[in-house]
Amino acid sequence: EAGVAQSPRYKIIEKRQSVAFWCNPISGHATLYWYQQILGQGPKLLIQFQNNGVVDDSQLPKDRFSAERLKGVDSTLKIQPAKLEDSAVYLCASSLIPTAQETQYFGPGTRLLVL
Amino acid sequence: GESVGLHLPTLSVQEGDNSIINCAYSNSASDYFIWYKQESGKGPQFIIDIRSNMDKRQGQRVTVLLNKTVKHLSLQIAATQPGDSAVYFCAEKAGGSYIPTFGRGTSLIVHP
Repeated sequence: EAGVAQSPRYKIIEKRQSVAFWCNPISGHATLYWYQQILGQGPKLLIQFQNNGVVDDSQLPKDRFSAERLKGVDSTLKIQPAKLEDSAVYLCASSLIPTAQETQYFGPGTRLLVL
Repeated sequence: GESVGLHLPTLSVQEGDNSIINCAYSNSASDYFIWYKQESGKGPQFIIDIRSNMDKRQGQRVTVLLNKTVKHLSLQIAATQPGDSAVYFCAEKAGGSYIPTFGRGTSLIVHP
């Protein structure tokens, strides 16, 4: 079974530039999550999708971050404009159904460096 | 002891030793706990979980202990191997929440 795919794996941009990340979840997984992981910390949820609808985006800085999952499969996360503090690993995860005990499967992440 | 800033708490062990990684959780309403392993350049990987109505659960070479009285969780790895070197995170969920809240992480270094 293929895992969660993410691209690009690495990105270096200057502050105020825009950047987009792509995620392809495990086939058949209805729930998709984007996390931000700052160096030395645990992942922090940014947004959760159930199929193509947003379930929770309370932690997403909506003035600069946006995400979509138009067809309920792939998802993109965008930052516009980027700030220095956005340097982090952006992890995508998916799960079959959104229950409390359902395991989330994480992708390898995209490492973003904002200069 | 725990360091500040970017430095993770670190546990160094010799190959073959048993490792114990500790985690203090904050939410007394948390009722489901998970341990994740994160290797360099990869996303977190599920290791083992435990519900709050249990105090111990065993997997293959790993055991999780839960002490709700002091809000403490531990992960025991038996016969630690170099492949176990990674950062280990505990995570908690409360009240049926789908989203785990991750702790800070502990870096495990296994010396051959």
